[in-house]
Amino acid sequence: AQTVTQSQPEMSVQEAETVTLSCTYDTSESDYYLFWYKQPPSRQMILVIRQEAYKQQNATENRFSVNFQKAAKSFSLKISDSQLGDAAMYFCAYRSMDSNYQLIWGAGTKLIIKP
Amino acid sequence: DAGVIQSPRHEVTEMGQEVTLRCKPISGHNSLFWYRQTMMRGLELLIYFNNNVPIDDSGMPEDRFSAKMPNASFSTLKIQPSEPRDSAVYFCASSLARGPNQPQHFGDGTRLSIL
Repeated sequence: AQTVTQSQPEMSVQEAETVTLSCTYDTSESDYYLFWYKQPPSRQMILVIRQEAYKQQNATENRFSVNFQKAAKSFSLKISDSQLGDAAMYFCAYRSMDSNYQLIWGAGTKLIIKP
Repeated sequence: DAGVIQSPRHEVTEMGQEVTLRCKPISGHNSLFWYRQTMMRGLELLIYFNNNVPIDDSGMPEDRFSAKMPNASFSTLKIQPSEPRDSAVYFCASSLARGPNQPQHFGDGTRLSIL
């Protein structure tokens, strides 16, 4: 069975600095999808970025980018120019190609932005 | 575009009472998910519907929980009788079932407190 591990329960960063959140996963599959979701204090789960395992190019969405290392089964999220609005819980999730619904979730990392 | 709409946003009730949570998925989405989020257990998938049909309800904790999707634009999650350990945030999410690359879009959640 697949598992997702987020080893950092909490991270803090100075406003305008860059921070990297780590995520590792365990799978025997060669094709799959990876997602980062953000959950601010307002509670809503918001999709930040997604990566398809068969694509070597790292996904980027504005200030958010990933460092996808397939061999190492690592999927870290980099947030550049951190803003106060980035403060949230960040969840990494895995989805098998064989399943069109089941997401395997990490435990989350709480990101604190220091003004 | 309207996102996933959940109601109520907060619910406080006494144990033994029936609780009904409601969800309106994004128009055109044919997959619907109910999740429960707690500090101890993180995000748990309770049930998944595809085209209004329950596909996987293995996450439903016990017979006190039931979910229905009478049509493509409405779903309910019912707890009867409720217990204090049911206190959690309940999320509804929807997606297109075209493939595993389709992200799940979440509602704002219902914070349920059973006294």
